[in-house]
Amino acid sequence: NAGVMQNPRHLVRRRGQEARLRCSPMKGHSHVYWYRQLPEEGLKFMVYLQKENIIDESGMPKERFSAEFPKEGPSILRIQQVVRGDSAAYFCASSPLQGIMNTEAFFGQGTRLTVV
Amino acid sequence: GESVGLHLPTLSVQEGDNSIINCAYSNSASDYFIWYKQESGKGPQFIIDIRSNMDKRQGQRVTVLLNKTVKHLSLQIAATQPGDSAVYFCAENSEITGGGNKLTFGTGTQLKVEL
Repeated sequence: NAGVMQNPRHLVRRRGQEARLRCSPMKGHSHVYWYRQLPEEGLKFMVYLQKENIIDESGMPKERFSAEFPKEGPSILRIQQVVRGDSAAYFCASSPLQGIMNTEAFFGQGTRLTVV
Repeated sequence: GESVGLHLPTLSVQEGDNSIINCAYSNSASDYFIWYKQESGKGPQFIIDIRSNMDKRQGQRVTVLLNKTVKHLSLQIAATQPGDSAVYFCAENSEITGGGNKLTFGTGTQLKVEL
């Protein structure tokens, strides 16, 4: 079974551009979490989605950030008009059921966004 | 606000020695904790978890201890190997209203294994 797949692995954007980060959950998983990791810090929760629904976006910045998990296709984290402070590693995790976040939640390898 | 934090940012140990990584938390209502290992350029990898109804849990070469009185947990790695070199995070797992769970991570401890 393929694990959680994130792409691209590395993304460079100029200030003001848009960044789109993709996450394909593990096969059979219908719940997706996005986390952000600033350099030398722990991961910070951003958003939790189920298919076609945002369940909790309490960790998302109020502006410029959005996430979706359509019925078909990967989950997308979109950052509009990127600024240097958006430079970070963005990780996606998936789980098969809600409420399962221990051994059954798997993280992808992350997308490292650099804003120049 | 509530937080999960670590005492030491870097820990250096000799190969074959035991490693102890500490973590303090502030939310006395926390009842489920997970330790993750993160190697350079990779995502966090589950190591071991523990619920508040336990004081100790053992895995393969790893042991987690939970002291609810002082809100402290530790990860012990026996016979540390070069492959154990990584950043280790403790995380509190809490439920999300409406379903799902979220993890609150500590800052992390860099474990360096010296040959």
